[in-house]
Amino acid sequence: AQSVTQLDSHVSVSEGTPVLLRCNYSSSYSPSLFWYVQHPNKGLQLLLKYTSAATLVKGINGFEAEFKKSETSFHLTKPSAHMSDAAEYFCVVSGMDSSYKLIFGSGTRLLVRP
Amino acid sequence: DAGVIQSPRHEVTEMGQEVTLRCKPISGHNSLFWYRQTMMRGLELLIYFNNNVPIDDSGMPEDRFSAKMPNASFSTLKIQPSEPRDSAVYFCASSFFGEYTDTQYFGPGTRLTVL
Repeated sequence: AQSVTQLDSHVSVSEGTPVLLRCNYSSSYSPSLFWYVQHPNKGLQLLLKYTSAATLVKGINGFEAEFKKSETSFHLTKPSAHMSDAAEYFCVVSGMDSSYKLIFGSGTRLLVRP
Repeated sequence: DAGVIQSPRHEVTEMGQEVTLRCKPISGHNSLFWYRQTMMRGLELLIYFNNNVPIDDSGMPEDRFSAKMPNASFSTLKIQPSEPRDSAVYFCASSFFGEYTDTQYFGPGTRLTVL
């Protein structure tokens, strides 16, 4: 069965420093992987998506993620954090039997200190 | 594109009352999803429609919950009667679901409080 593990429930960085949000997945096939962001009292916004075309995926707002099959990881990074990046981030994998079924990680709350 | 539209954004009701949540998917999308988000359980898929037909309702908690999609541009999620444990944020999402496309786009959500 597919599963997603976000290794940190909270990450705190200073503005202008790099961001790393970690995600490991478990799947017996090559899934689609996503990162979504949820700002307070807002819906989920798609940041980026991996579909096997390229292992390094660039998303919106300067975020990118690298798919590493050998490590079953899909970590999200950004070179320089901005105050507006403070939000909750979800790593998501599509289901094997039913690709419409998204399996969500538990979320990582990113705090950005001035 | 206006994105997925949900109404109301906030709903406060009393236990036992009927609640109806509404969703307008992105034009041209053929799939619609209703999710519930709580602190305890995270995001849960309640029901999935494809071409207006319910395909998977295994996530619907119980008979008090029902969902309809009368046409490609409108869906409702109804709770009758509502209970305090139904308090959550309900999200609608839509996608153009095909062999190579599975990205879901979420609405802003409806925050439901049942007193």
